[in-house]
Formats: sequence, C-alpha cells, structure tokens
Amino acid sequence: SAVISQKPSRDICQRGTSLTIQCQVDSQVTMMFWYRQQPGQSLTLIATANQGSEATYESGFVIDKFPISRPNLTFSTLTVSNMSPEDSSIYLCSVVTGVFSTDTQYFGPGTRLTVL
Amino acid sequence: GDSVTQMEGPVTLSEEAFLTINCTYTATGYPSLFWYVQYPGEGLQLLLKATKADDKGSNKGFEATYRKETTSFHLEKGSVQVSDSAVYFCALRPLSGGYQKVTFGIGTKLQVIP
Repeated sequence: SAVISQKPSRDICQRGTSLTIQCQVDSQVTMMFWYRQQPGQSLTLIATANQGSEATYESGFVIDKFPISRPNLTFSTLTVSNMSPEDSSIYLCSVVTGVFSTDTQYFGPGTRLTVL
Repeated sequence: GDSVTQMEGPVTLSEEAFLTINCTYTATGYPSLFWYVQYPGEGLQLLLKATKADDKGSNKGFEATYRKETTSFHLEKGSVQVSDSAVYFCALRPLSGGYQKVTFGIGTKLQVIP
C-alpha cells in the first residue's frame, strides 16, 4: 500500500503567479503521476513524473506551464505557472505499487487551487 | 478513444436503501474495470476491480460485475449506510495500456440520509 500526502491542501492565488504543490509518499515507488480534476469533470492525466529525468507530458500539457520535479522515489513537485482562472482545479498526485495483477493505484487527497 | 460514462449525481438515498450506480464503457478488447471511492477531504481509494468478462469485484458490501455484452460495470450495494456518502468513480485501463491510459468517469456523488 501507499500513503500519499500533498501540500498545500488548498490555496487561493492571484492571476499571473505560480504555485508549487508537493507530493510525499511513505514508500519508494516507480510510477508517479499528476492529475487535474476540473469542476464537474473527470480526472485528466497531466504527466508522469520520472525519477532522474524529465517528466512525460500528455497531450495538451507542456513543461513550461506545469514543470515537474522528481528528485527521488518518494517525492515530487508540480508547479502551476503563470496562473489564470482556468487553472482553478483540484490537482492530484498518484502512485502505483505492486506487480502485474496485484498492482494498485493510490491517490493523494488533492490540492484545491482557486485562481482569482 | 476509450471512454467511461457514469450516471450523474447527486444520488440521495435513505439509509438501508438499495444502491445502483450505472457505468458503461467504450474500449477495444478487454480492459480492466475499476470503481474508486473518494470520501470528503481524502484521495480516491480503490473500491473494487475486475479484469475479465463475467468477473465480479466486491468489497465492503459493494459489488460490480464485468458485463462484456452490455459493456457495463454497474456498482451495487444492498443496504447503504450514512458512512457510504462519498463520490464514486468508474474507470477503465486498456488491456495493452499502462496506468497512463486509465480513463475515469466524471464521478457520482452519493448522499445517504439517516
């Protein structure tokens, strides 16, 4: 299993500023992801955070807007840069543990971001 | 591409009522199917899963059966409790895809009143 914590749990930010969200896992994991959950919508994968190399971004997401760090196997940060009201969302960190057929995806409690 | 459609909420039930939350999917082949639950202030937690047709996933009194013929994975519980109040997400992972390919539904909020 895995227990994930995120900081901050929520924030209200001004347009044009940046916010860095931290994700801490209680065990070493290989697979770590960042998701966005916009109001009334399902979860959308932003990127896979790779330890020791650049993150892998999904279509529609770019490194300049969402830079990600993954310095080790238990920690990652996601920065939301030059924010606009459209970035108001819940941002979720997620990891996968276990091996095939017993693997399980875990999620952090989320960071609720409001951009004014 | 793959998609998951689940009933929109909120769903409000009295305690001990029967629960059904519908979920249908579109995908090629035989994806793995999941139900996640998100309690207030917490992250999504895996509730149950099924990896092949006719499999039944079950946990905490909840059940869902993988129906290939109707491409459905409806969540059911015979008698809900106030503590079941949460948001429920249906999801699929394609057979040939990793977790990067997981597709989630929009979530159904369940409120159980005493």
